[in-house]
Amino acid sequence: KAGVTQTPRYLIKTRGQQVTLSCSPISGHRSVSWYQQTPGQGLQFLFEYFSETQRNKGNFPGRFSGRQFSNSRSEMNVSTLELGDSALYLCASSLVGNRNTQYFGPGTRLTVL
Amino acid sequence: DQQVKQNSPSLSVQEGRISILNCDYTNSMFDYFLWYKKYPAEGPTFLISISSIKDKNEDGRFTVFLNKSAKHLSLHIVPSQPGDSAVYFCAARGVNTGKLIFGQGTTLQVKP
Repeated sequence: KAGVTQTPRYLIKTRGQQVTLSCSPISGHRSVSWYQQTPGQGLQFLFEYFSETQRNKGNFPGRFSGRQFSNSRSEMNVSTLELGDSALYLCASSLVGNRNTQYFGPGTRLTVL
Repeated sequence: DQQVKQNSPSLSVQEGRISILNCDYTNSMFDYFLWYKKYPAEGPTFLISISSIKDKNEDGRFTVFLNKSAKHLSLHIVPSQPGDSAVYFCAARGVNTGKLIFGQGTTLQVKP
């Protein structure tokens, strides 16, 4: 069974631009969560989607948004990029009945110049 | 407000010895705790978990201990192997929110 895939793997943007990251969960997983990883901050929860609905949201500004499609694939968007948005963005999927165990993708490394 | 804290950014251990990674939490409304391991250029992988109703869970070389009164979680790796060298994250799930809150991570280096 294929794992969680994220595209692109690396991205370089400049301040003020916007970016869209994509995540394809493991087949059969309908819950998708997004995290931001920065040095010293660990993984910070962004949001969780299930059945195309946002189920949970972390403490991030409205510039960060996401959505989920009917095939469970998810995208996250960051508008008006800031230097501090440079981070590794991780997507994780899980089975509905076992949200405790999340399977992570390799992440998208975003660099904002 | 860091609800889950890993106060040791790094740990170095000799191969064959025990590695002990620690994690503290502040919120008593966590009902499930997990440890993840992360290698460079890869996403975190699930290692072991424990429910708040237990105080110990063992899986091979990995044992997680939970001390609810101290709000403290630890991961023991015995014996440590060079392949265990990675960043270890502890995480806790909020019983009401279902969200996973992660610590900052501890980098473990196991020396041959």
